[in-house]
Amino acid sequence: AQSVAQPEDQVNVAEGNPLTVKCTYSVSGNPYLFWYVQYPNRGLQFLLKYITGDNLVKGSYGFEAEFNKSQTSFHLKKPSALVSDSALYFCAVRAGYNNNDMRFGAGTRLTVKP
Amino acid sequence: DTGVSQDPRHKITKRGQNVTFRCDPISEHNRLYWYRQTLGQGPEFLTYFQNEAQLEKSRLLSDRFSAERPKGSFSTLEIQRTEQGDSAMYLCASSPSREADTQYFGPGTRLTVL
Repeated sequence: AQSVAQPEDQVNVAEGNPLTVKCTYSVSGNPYLFWYVQYPNRGLQFLLKYITGDNLVKGSYGFEAEFNKSQTSFHLKKPSALVSDSALYFCAVRAGYNNNDMRFGAGTRLTVKP
Repeated sequence: DTGVSQDPRHKITKRGQNVTFRCDPISEHNRLYWYRQTLGQGPEFLTYFQNEAQLEKSRLLSDRFSAERPKGSFSTLEIQRTEQGDSAMYLCASSPSREADTQYFGPGTRLTVL
């Protein structure tokens, strides 16, 4: 079955610095990869996805992610972090279009300090 | 607000009682998903509907859990004879047929079983 790993429970960065939130995946076949963000008392919000095509995917709020097939990774990045980016970030994978069992990582808490 | 809505947002019940949650997906989204999220973990897939048909069920969905989507619009998730281990956030998501790979989440129903 498909799975994702987010190796860092917590990431701390200073405002204005670049940020990276790591994700690695395991899946049979072509992966459908996603990043979601969760703010307190709110539902998960979709940030971006990789299905096929360009390995660098751009999403909401200035975030981007790079699909690396050889390293089975899909790290989330942003060139310049904002304090308002502080939240819980989840990576998720589906094993193709017809597989509706989306597996989420345990989440990484990002804290951006002023 | 035209997003996914869930009701109630919070539910406290005593062990052994039955509870029912409702999810209203985004209008015209034909796919609907239920997830469970416990503290410190990512969401776990429970079940999936396409229109009114329940097409996939996780092994996490024990016999005490039942979900319906009778008219292909809103859905209900019922838990019978609740146990303390059922305490979690129950999330609903929906997706449209034209963008079936992207799920849009509701705010969740937090269940506490005493």
